[in-house]
Amino acid sequence: NAGVTQTPKFQVLKTGQSMTLQCAQDMNHEYMSWYRQDPGMGLRLIHYSVGAGITDQGEVPNGYNVSRSTTEDFPLRLLSAAPSQTSVYFCASIRTGRTEAFFGQGTRLTVV
Amino acid sequence: ELKVEQNPLFLSMQEEKNYTIYCNYSTTSDRLYWYRQDPGKSLESLFVLLSNGAVKQEGRLMASLDTKARLSTLHITAAVHDLSATYFCAVDGDFGNEKLTFGTGTRLTIIP
Repeated sequence: NAGVTQTPKFQVLKTGQSMTLQCAQDMNHEYMSWYRQDPGMGLRLIHYSVGAGITDQGEVPNGYNVSRSTTEDFPLRLLSAAPSQTSVYFCASIRTGRTEAFFGQGTRLTVV
Repeated sequence: ELKVEQNPLFLSMQEEKNYTIYCNYSTTSDRLYWYRQDPGKSLESLFVLLSNGAVKQEGRLMASLDTKARLSTLHITAAVHDLSATYFCAVDGDFGNEKLTFGTGTRLTIIP
């Protein structure tokens, strides 16, 4: 199994540009989420989904949109990139019963 | 709001020494996760602790959970260089809530 796949791995954006970070999992997990990781702050939850068609906000949702049209895919959209969104982004999916969370390889985003 | 505190934030230790990383959290939770992250890499699951008094061990690492004290510990025995990494604890919210809240991480450096 591929697990959780994120693309791209690296991205540089100009302020005001938009883009979509892709996340796909092949484990048939219902729960998926997006985190950002900043130095000294651990991982902070941006948005999450408990199943296809259902999404909700996490701790730091401003400037980001998500959708969940299928169980497998959970893309994260930056509407108008800002330097404060420079970060490393991780997508995660959680096995039913919450016994383990699987993380993608991360996307390192720089906004200039 | 669930808060998760780890200490220490940085830990430099010599090989063959023992040490403990502490993870305190602020509200009731029924499970706690420990992850390892190497520089520039994703998060690797180490342990999932599911109940009060749970203890899990893998090699030189042992994790325990005291839900009454809202405390988990990650004990390192006879450290070796390849344990150098950043270690995160994460706490699940209220029962049925899969939103993980992460601690800020402990950067562990093992000195030969």
